[in-house]
Amino acid sequence: DAGVTQSPTHLIKTRGQHVTLRCSPISGHKSVSWYQQVLGQGPQFIFQYYEKEERGRGNFPDRFSARQFPNYSSELNVNALLLGDSALYLCASSSWTGSGYTFGSGTRLTVV
Amino acid sequence: DQQVKQNSPSLSVQEGRISILNCDYTNSMFDYFLWYKKYPAEGPTFLISISSIKDKNEDGRFTVFLNKSAKHLSLHIVPSQPGDSAVYFCAASERGKGGSEKLVFGKGTKLTVNP
Repeated sequence: DAGVTQSPTHLIKTRGQHVTLRCSPISGHKSVSWYQQVLGQGPQFIFQYYEKEERGRGNFPDRFSARQFPNYSSELNVNALLLGDSALYLCASSSWTGSGYTFGSGTRLTVV
Repeated sequence: DQQVKQNSPSLSVQEGRISILNCDYTNSMFDYFLWYKKYPAEGPTFLISISSIKDKNEDGRFTVFLNKSAKHLSLHIVPSQPGDSAVYFCAASERGKGGSEKLVFGKGTKLTVNP
């Protein structure tokens, strides 16, 4: 059974550009959350989606947005990239809120 | 303002001995706590969790202890094995309105188990 899959695994973008990261949850999982992990820090919550609705948003600027599709996969979009957006972006899925999360391997974003 | 703190950036132990990783938190509204293990180039892997109504949870070589009055939890690994070498993250679950939930992570402790 496939785990949480994220694409791409690595990405290099230039300041000011836009990026879209993708996540496919474990089959049957309806909740997807996004986290940002910068070097030397723990993951920081960005968004949670459950049944295609935004259920929670962390302390990130409006440049960050996300959505969840009918098949429960999700996209994270970041506009007007800054150097400080360079990080590992992690997607996590669960069957319902509060049941524990399984993380994907992440997308390593480098902004130059 | 860090709500979950792991004050030891690194820990080194000998194979076969006990590893104790510590975590402190400030928010008394957290209702359960988790430990994740992370290898380089991989996402965090769930290890063990504990509800705020319990003070101990055990799973094989891993035991988590929770002291609510001190807002402190610890992960014990006995016996430690070289394959346990990784970064360990303490996380706390925070519930919000409408069924939202987020995990608040500490900065992690890098455990090295020497053969």
